[in-house]
Amino acid sequence: KAGVTQTPRYLIKTRGQQVTLSCSPISGHRSVSWYQQTPGQGLQFLFEYFSETQRNKGNFPGRFSGRQFSNSRSEMNVSTLELGDSALYLCASSGEGGRQETQYFGPGTRLLVL
Amino acid sequence: GQSLEQPSEVTAVEGAIVQINCTYQTSGFYGLSWYQQHDGGAPTFLSYNGLDGLEETGRFSSFLSRSDSYGYLLLQELQMKDSASYFCAVRDGDSNYQLIWGAGTKLIIKP
Repeated sequence: KAGVTQTPRYLIKTRGQQVTLSCSPISGHRSVSWYQQTPGQGLQFLFEYFSETQRNKGNFPGRFSGRQFSNSRSEMNVSTLELGDSALYLCASSGEGGRQETQYFGPGTRLLVL
Repeated sequence: GQSLEQPSEVTAVEGAIVQINCTYQTSGFYGLSWYQQHDGGAPTFLSYNGLDGLEETGRFSSFLSRSDSYGYLLLQELQMKDSASYFCAVRDGDSNYQLIWGAGTKLIIKP
């Protein structure tokens, strides 16, 4: 099976712009989670989608939003970018997002905000 | 609230054994997982403990004590390629099984 893919891999934006990142989960996986990671930091949970519904949400401002399509592909959007949004954005997929399921991560999108 | 504590950095010598601890405070606990992340890479799954005891996978072992809300990852015969960050994560059954993550432990291996 192909792994989790994320596009684009690298992105440079300026303050005030908006950005959309895409994630294609492993075939058959229905749960997609998004994380933000800044240098030397852990994984900050953004949100999780399951069957096109947001199931969990982290403590991020409303500028961060996401959605999931019927084929389980997911997008996240950040509006009105700030310098502090520069980070690695990771998505991870799992089958049902249930108790014992492993999360499989994509390579991430490196976003630089100037 | 929900929280996981793990050391920020651990240093060890090549060929030695190192233990990375993780204590957690969550409601609705459903298992402790460990992930490895090399610099510039994505996290990859290492091990999972749903019940108390030791799980062994090659050079890596993971232990869980639910009564102590504590677990650890044990790495034996350390190799330079084991230099990475290691994250513990807990599934919280009271939050739709959301994975709650520790801040990560950077393992530095010296020759």
